[in-house]
Amino acid sequence: DAGITQSPRHKVTETGTPVTLRCHQTENHRYMYWYRQDPGHGLRLIHYSYGVKDTDKGEVSDGYSVSRSKTEDFLLTLESATSSQTSVYFCAISGSSGSANTGELFFGEGSRLTVL
Amino acid sequence: KQEVTQIPAALSVPEGENLVLNCSFTDSAIYNLQWFRQDPGKGLTSLLLIQSSQREQTSGRLNASLDKSSGRSTLYIAASQPGDSATYLCAVSQIKAAGNKLTFGGGTRVLVKP
Repeated sequence: DAGITQSPRHKVTETGTPVTLRCHQTENHRYMYWYRQDPGHGLRLIHYSYGVKDTDKGEVSDGYSVSRSKTEDFLLTLESATSSQTSVYFCAISGSSGSANTGELFFGEGSRLTVL
Repeated sequence: KQEVTQIPAALSVPEGENLVLNCSFTDSAIYNLQWFRQDPGKGLTSLLLIQSSQREQTSGRLNASLDKSSGRSTLYIAASQPGDSATYLCAVSQIKAAGNKLTFGGGTRVLVKP
């Protein structure tokens, strides 16, 4: 395993409630990403981070916000969850601190979110 | 906009047969291409990473080739085993900018029958 922990792994919530998913890494990798995976759409990038307090939008960022206050933690927040945000969310990391940064991405186990 | 396609969407082979999985992409200006394996209900496991300057990468029974000019990559799995049953995804990243944002194909679901 690449030292990535996502929490919670499963969550059921109601429409309109806020939800925060956490990604924690122990690898000291520079870049962190949030993807969602949906049948028929595959994996799509929501937001990514290229350093502490440095984040940018992916292709499906509407309705999501992120924060990265420490190298090891990247939070994904749904301010007001909707049923269309029911999905499996994956965190990924890349960019080792060593000299050989190959750009290889490593993924967490996923967080399954159901919005009723 | 980069588009990545994997055909077929599903594949069933008898144990021992070689697997050939295809991946095509529309924009040849890539930084690298990565193959992943995903088991049901699990995350993605990185199998092979091919940099844009490379033509192929090998790891055990796995071999991946890359032809940037034609926008294609092929993953070969020799002597397939039932444990190879999974979904295989390819992903490409564009010229390196802030991080390696990947564009994924839809995956090929593989079943290896004993």
